[in-house]
Amino acid sequence: GDSVTQTEGLVTLTKGLPVMLNCTYQTTYSPFLFWYVQHLNEAPKLLLKSSTDNKRTEHQGFYATLHKSSSSFHLQKSSVQLSDSALYFCALSDTNAYKVIFGKGTHLHVLP
Amino acid sequence: DAGVTQTPRHEVAEKGQTIILKCEPVSGHNDLFWYRQTKIQGLELLSYFRSKSLMEDGGAFKDRFKAEMLNSSFSTLKIQPTEPKDSAVYLCASSFGDGNQAPLFGEGTRLSVL
Repeated sequence: GDSVTQTEGLVTLTKGLPVMLNCTYQTTYSPFLFWYVQHLNEAPKLLLKSSTDNKRTEHQGFYATLHKSSSSFHLQKSSVQLSDSALYFCALSDTNAYKVIFGKGTHLHVLP
Repeated sequence: DAGVTQTPRHEVAEKGQTIILKCEPVSGHNDLFWYRQTKIQGLELLSYFRSKSLMEDGGAFKDRFKAEMLNSSFSTLKIQPTEPKDSAVYLCASSFGDGNQAPLFGEGTRLSVL
């Protein structure tokens, strides 16, 4: 069945540095990939989405490119801010079932 | 804009009780999801409805968890009987269901079972 893997449980880095959060997926159908951000005591909110191979998508300074050849959709930002501290989920839907499954999530902790 | 509404926001139950969580999806959305969120397991899919039909009932959660969607604007999640390990945040989400539309989440219900 479909699956999503986020390898890092916690990423800690200093404000102003670049970050990349890993996401790989598995499906036998055409994928739709999403990144959600969840701040403390809030609901997960959509940050990015893509279904187009090799096309970069951007929002609020974050960006990601879906690479179907490597089944990846890594989230990047060139300079993290304190307000970026949150839980980030990668999620997958596909053209067969449309249900959405989530990775375990990566906590991003930004230090002053 | 009306989002996904979940009630109550907080629930405290004693072991063995029956609790019912409620969710009102975004008007016009065809898909509704119930997730459980814990620090250890992350987001786990409990149930998935499409146009009020149950498409997936979350496998391991079948025995004490039952989600229903009697009409397109209201869903419930019943946990019977509750156990301390059920303590978690329960999230409801809805979407148009065309795959490319990311689900929109409600604020969740934080359940504590004593």
